[in-house]
Amino acid sequence: GQNIDQPTEMTATEGAIVQINCTYQTSGFNGLFWYQQHAGEAPTFLSYNVLDGLEEKGRFSSFLSRSKGYSYLLLKELQMKDSASYLCAVTHQGGKLIFGQGTELSVKP
Amino acid sequence: GAVVSQHPSWVICKSGTSVKIECRSLDFQATTMFWYRQFPKQSLMLMATSNEGSKATYEQGVEKDKFLINHASLTLSTLTVTSAHPEDSSFYICSASSTGVSYEQYFGPGTRLTVT
Repeated sequence: GQNIDQPTEMTATEGAIVQINCTYQTSGFNGLFWYQQHAGEAPTFLSYNVLDGLEEKGRFSSFLSRSKGYSYLLLKELQMKDSASYLCAVTHQGGKLIFGQGTELSVKP
Repeated sequence: GAVVSQHPSWVICKSGTSVKIECRSLDFQATTMFWYRQFPKQSLMLMATSNEGSKATYEQGVEKDKFLINHASLTLSTLTVTSAHPEDSSFYICSASSTGVSYEQYFGPGTRLTVT
């Protein structure tokens, strides 16, 4: 079976750094995605990790440890517009994406 | 590039009627399309995977006779919700891939279905 866990909600302050964790147990692992989703909109791609290590892309970084079944998304220099839901998703056989329940991030002034 | 559209963006229908949602890849050929459903405050749940020219593969617990999926061309897939009920009210999102691999999967903007 598959199981993906991430915190339900987090709160952070504008300008700060926040780390959103994701742990997973799945068969046929082919990589891990992070998506950002604003209410009423489709998810937008943030990052993709298939090898262990850190991928940095501007203010966003994503880390993966396959042996530990663990990933995190790091957001730096938080802005108010970063308030959104952040979805961790694991790839499965046939190209399917299995999503975690999402982390609702609130950025406060 | 890699734009996926959905139509309609929102729809309200009466209980017992059927609703068709279209998903189009505008600038690439999508050999595989995925349909997801998202209830308020919840994450995306994969409903089915469709490959052009073949029958869709449904996830466990999804009624194939209720959610009819057709992928007749490389740029169009449709999801028909038959005999809709209020509990079918949800946000339906499609994604498309030209290669069938998940890291090249592009999402449509979603369709909000409300059944009254």
